Amino acid sequence: EIVLTQSPGTLSLSPGERATLSCRASQTVSSSYVAWYQQKPGQAPRLLIYGASSRATGIPDRFSGSGSGTDFTLTISRLEPEDFAVYYCQQYGSSPGTFGQGTKVEIK
Amino acid sequence: EVQLVESGGGVVRPGGSLRLSCAASGFTFDDYGMTWVRQAPGKGLEWVSGINWNGGSTGYADSVKGRFTISRDNAKNSLYLQMNTLRAEDTALYHCARGGGSWYMDVWGKGTTVTVSS
Repeated sequence: EIVLTQSPGTLSLSPGERATLSCRASQTVSSSYVAWYQQKPGQAPRLLIYGASSRATGIPDRFSGSGSGTDFTLTISRLEPEDFAVYYCQQYGSSPGTFGQGTKVEIK
Repeated sequence: EVQLVESGGGVVRPGGSLRLSCAASGFTFDDYGMTWVRQAPGKGLEWVSGINWNGGSTGYADSVKGRFTISRDNAKNSLYLQMNTLRAEDTALYHCARGGGSWYMDVWGKGTTVTVSS
């Protein structure tokens, strides 16, 4: 199975700053089938990005995804107070559809 | 409104069984594959099992293979997870999600809690 490693584990930033989250796969993810999810405490995950770079319905354009092959990035251009949460990447190019361990974006 | 609502969780002793259900509404259920994802307390997301639109193809994480069975009833717009021989490490919040296979998961339920404890 493909192992996804997210870095950093925790990102401490202030509102208005830029956040860059990394997701590295142990092998090439076919067709850039990578998704990013946001999860806040007590809530279900929410899809942000699919196909490595396509924003899901209703997701603000401050969220963007990029990458291919084994290296993928989620960027939040200017952090809003509601963006402080845990973010997971997931590959769905091969079964099982594995998740990264998550990156927590916390208020500095 | 597109919605997924899980039920069937509870407290069970090691070795016991539970059957989780997921009721779908607001979309054409049999247009989509479906997935179960779990989250142990304080931990990350773990893909558990997936099923294609007609139930003809299923997949399981190694950690549950041979113990869990995923199924669906398209006439009832429902997804199921039969969990047998439960272990303490199966304790988690279980979410159903729309999508899976070669598709992302774009709708998630709030989850149902399974606790395996003596």
